[in-house]
Amino acid sequence: DVKVTQSSRYLVKRTGEKVFLECVQDMDHENMFWYRQDPGLGLRLIYFSYDVKMKEKGDIPEGYSVSREKKERFSLILESASTNQTSMYLCASSFSPGGEETQYFGPGTRLLVL
Amino acid sequence: GQSLEQPSEVTAVEGAIVQINCTYQTSGFYGLSWYQQHDGGAPTFLSYNALDGLEETGRFSSFLSRSDSYGYLLLQELQMKDSASYFCAVSVMDSNYQLIWGAGTKLIIKP
Repeated sequence: DVKVTQSSRYLVKRTGEKVFLECVQDMDHENMFWYRQDPGLGLRLIYFSYDVKMKEKGDIPEGYSVSREKKERFSLILESASTNQTSMYLCASSFSPGGEETQYFGPGTRLLVL
Repeated sequence: GQSLEQPSEVTAVEGAIVQINCTYQTSGFYGLSWYQQHDGGAPTFLSYNALDGLEETGRFSSFLSRSDSYGYLLLQELQMKDSASYFCAVSVMDSNYQLIWGAGTKLIIKP
C-alpha cells in the first residue's frame, strides 16, 4: 500500500518563526511536490523535485525553500513565516513529473501563522 | 498563460447522473487528469485521458476532446459518499513537465 506521510497534521506558528514541513514517501518515486491549497484557488505548486538534491520552482515559490537530501524525503521550509502563509500544505509524489502517472498525496498539514 | 476553468459548485440528487466540465487553455498539452478530494482529506486520483474519447471506470467516466480543449467527468448512480470536490488537472510539457490544477468543483448531493 503506497504511502506519503507528512510530519504534522496541524501546526500553529508565530510570525517570523522558521517552519519545517517534512514529507516522506515509501514508493521510491523520483518526483516529489509541495502544494498549498486555499479555498477557491485549488492546488498551487510551490516547488517540486525530480531527483535527489534537485529542485524546481513552481508557481508560488516566494517565501519558501525546499530540501531533498534523500530520495524518500522532501522538506518545505518557511524561512520567516507570515500570516499570508496560513494554509493547507500538501505533499505529493509520483513516478513522473507530469500527470500521466498518479500523484499520491499525503494527508496535508494545516498551518496557522499568528 | 495556462488556465483551466471548471464550475465552482454543482448540486445533484442521489441516484442521478452529473457531469463536471473542464475547459483549458494551455500550451504543450498532453493529458487531462481528475482527482477527488473529500473534506479534510487528500486528493486521490480518479482518471487520466491522453486521447480523445470516453474512459469508463465503474460509475465514473472521463471524456476528453483535444480539439475543443475540453473534458468532463461523469458520475453515475450518485451516492452520498460522492459528495466531495473534484479537480481537473492538465499535463503540459512547457520548459519542463508540469501538472496544472483547476480550482475544483464542489459536488453537493441531496437525498
